[in-house]
Amino acid sequence: AQTVTQSQPEMSVQEAETVTLSCTYDTSESDYYLFWYKQPPSRQMILVIRQEAYKQQNATENRFSVNFQKAAKSFSLKISDSQLGDAAMYFCAYRSSWETSYDKVIFGPGTSLSVIP
Amino acid sequence: KAGVTQTPRYLIKTRGQQVTLSCSPISGHRSVSWYQQTPGQGLQFLFEYFSETQRNKGNFPGRFSGRQFSNSRSEMNVSTLELGDSALYLCASSLAEVYEQFFGPGTRLTVL
Repeated sequence: AQTVTQSQPEMSVQEAETVTLSCTYDTSESDYYLFWYKQPPSRQMILVIRQEAYKQQNATENRFSVNFQKAAKSFSLKISDSQLGDAAMYFCAYRSSWETSYDKVIFGPGTSLSVIP
Repeated sequence: KAGVTQTPRYLIKTRGQQVTLSCSPISGHRSVSWYQQTPGQGLQFLFEYFSETQRNKGNFPGRFSGRQFSNSRSEMNVSTLELGDSALYLCASSLAEVYEQFFGPGTRLTVL
């Protein structure tokens, strides 16, 4: 069974600085998808970024980028120029390919990010 | 395009009662998943439906059940409520396959 680990329960960053959130996963599959979700205090879960395992190029969305290391099964999220609105719980998630497990998604335990003004 | 909606947003029940939660996916989305979120256990997968068929089920007792209708709306039911069922229940929808999930605001269930 797949597992997702986020070793940092809490992190903090100064406004305008850069922070990296860690995520590792365990799987025997070769085709899968990885996501970072953000859950602000309002509780609405929002997709931040996604990565297809077959793509070697790291995904980027504005100030958010990932470092995807498939061999190491690592998927870290880098937030540049941190803003107060980035304060939230961040979840790393793994999803098997449709052919194997349809729409089942495994979430990590989350990292609570605080942004210091 | 309207997002995922969940009703009710808040619910208070007593032990032994049953509850039904509703989820309306984004228009065109045929896959609906349910999650239970608690401070201690985090986000746990309950089940997933696609075209009215349950495709995956998490490790929850039989008291938790669900269904999906032909219009892709989904309901989950919890019977014989226990104190430990108090949680935020999240619904997520997706187009299929490679597409990411879009989450609703959740239903906060409190069992007294």
